[in-house]
Amino acid sequence: DAGVTQSPTHLIKTRGQHVTLRCSPISGHKSVSWYQQVLGQGPQFIFQYYEKEERGRGNFPDRFSARQFPNYSSELNVNALLLGDSALYLCASSPGLAGRIRDTQYFGPGTRLTVL
Amino acid sequence: GQQVMQIPQYQHVQEGEDFTTYCNSSTTLSNIQWYKQRPGGHPVFLIQLVKSGEVKKQKRLTFQFGEAKKNSSLHITATQTTDVGTYFCEDSGGYQKVTFGTGTKLQVIP
Repeated sequence: DAGVTQSPTHLIKTRGQHVTLRCSPISGHKSVSWYQQVLGQGPQFIFQYYEKEERGRGNFPDRFSARQFPNYSSELNVNALLLGDSALYLCASSPGLAGRIRDTQYFGPGTRLTVL
Repeated sequence: GQQVMQIPQYQHVQEGEDFTTYCNSSTTLSNIQWYKQRPGGHPVFLIQLVKSGEVKKQKRLTFQFGEAKKNSSLHITATQTTDVGTYFCEDSGGYQKVTFGTGTKLQVIP
């Protein structure tokens, strides 16, 4: 079975532009989460989606948005890019909705975004 | 907000030596997940701890959850060069509360 896939692998944008990152979860997984990982730091939680609905949001500005499609794939959109948005964007899929006991997350390889 | 700190930030060990990273929280931890991230790679799930005082082992790795659920540790016995990477803990009290630790970067000298 294929793991979590993300596209593109690398992306270079300039300040003020918009970017769309894509994620396909493991087959059968219904939940997708997005993380931002700045070099040398731990991943920061951005969003979690389950069954096409937003179930969790981290402390990120409204320039960040996401959606999940009927096939459970997901897109992360970032508007008005800033230099500080340069990071590795990770997608993680899990079988279901995280409740009291966390579902195991499986991370994709990430998209490396560079903002110039 | 919650802060999850890991110590040490960096650790260099000689191959064969033991290694321990500690995960400490400013608030009570809900569930702890541990991940390993190789250089240039993505986090890979290692283990989940749920109960106070829980201890789990995976070959040379021992994971522990503190009695007060405010800390956790990962201990590697007799490190190997394949253990190189950054180890992260993650606290998740449900989908509204997900916090990764600051990470400990392990370098193993052959």
